[in-house]
Amino acid sequence: DAGITQSPRYKITETGRQVTLMCHQTWSHSYMFWYRQDLGHGLRLIYYSAAADITDKGEVPDGYVVSRSKTENFPLTLESATRSQTSVYFCATRTDYNSPLHFGNGTRLTVT
Amino acid sequence: SQQGEEDPQALSIQEGENATMNCSYKTSINNLQWYRQNSGRGLVHLILIRSNEREKHSGRLRVTLDTSKKSSSLLITASRAADTASYFCATDATGANSKLTFGKGITLSVRP
Repeated sequence: DAGITQSPRYKITETGRQVTLMCHQTWSHSYMFWYRQDLGHGLRLIYYSAAADITDKGEVPDGYVVSRSKTENFPLTLESATRSQTSVYFCATRTDYNSPLHFGNGTRLTVT
Repeated sequence: SQQGEEDPQALSIQEGENATMNCSYKTSINNLQWYRQNSGRGLVHLILIRSNEREKHSGRLRVTLDTSKKSSSLLITASRAADTASYFCATDATGANSKLTFGKGITLSVRP
């Protein structure tokens, strides 16, 4: 039972390039989330999705695009990567409110 | 802005001692959750306490919630070196559409 799989685990890209981070879950949880984790900021919500084809912005959505055509996948795309997007990105799922979040192991992205 | 604020930012204790970590928040909540993160890994859910609960236990963990003071505490009793990690509180704010907001975390070091 893989749970949540994030890929790639590590990624180095150049400024201006488009990059997509993948998130796949095997549980069919309704909610999926993307957070970024930076020193001094903790975890900040980028985008979330309540169900397939329903997405909404979080605290720091600028420069990111998401889609959710299937319940199990929630890719995060950086349209034109900037150095400020160097971070560790976590995907998470939950069944509904009053339930815990389940996290993937993260993608460490470096933008040079 | 961060909903949850943990205190202290860092804590160093001897194995066998108790560790107490605090979290304050600003708005009304459905529940408050505590997570642990080991270095290089995703966050792992520890305990969820609902707004109508005052105390909850799970093994060596005890969580309290005071909604009048908008604060929570996490107590780890008889700490072990394996408890060394970062700990985060997260709030499920009322009307926040199942989005959890995280604090910046507390770094706990347990010396053998």
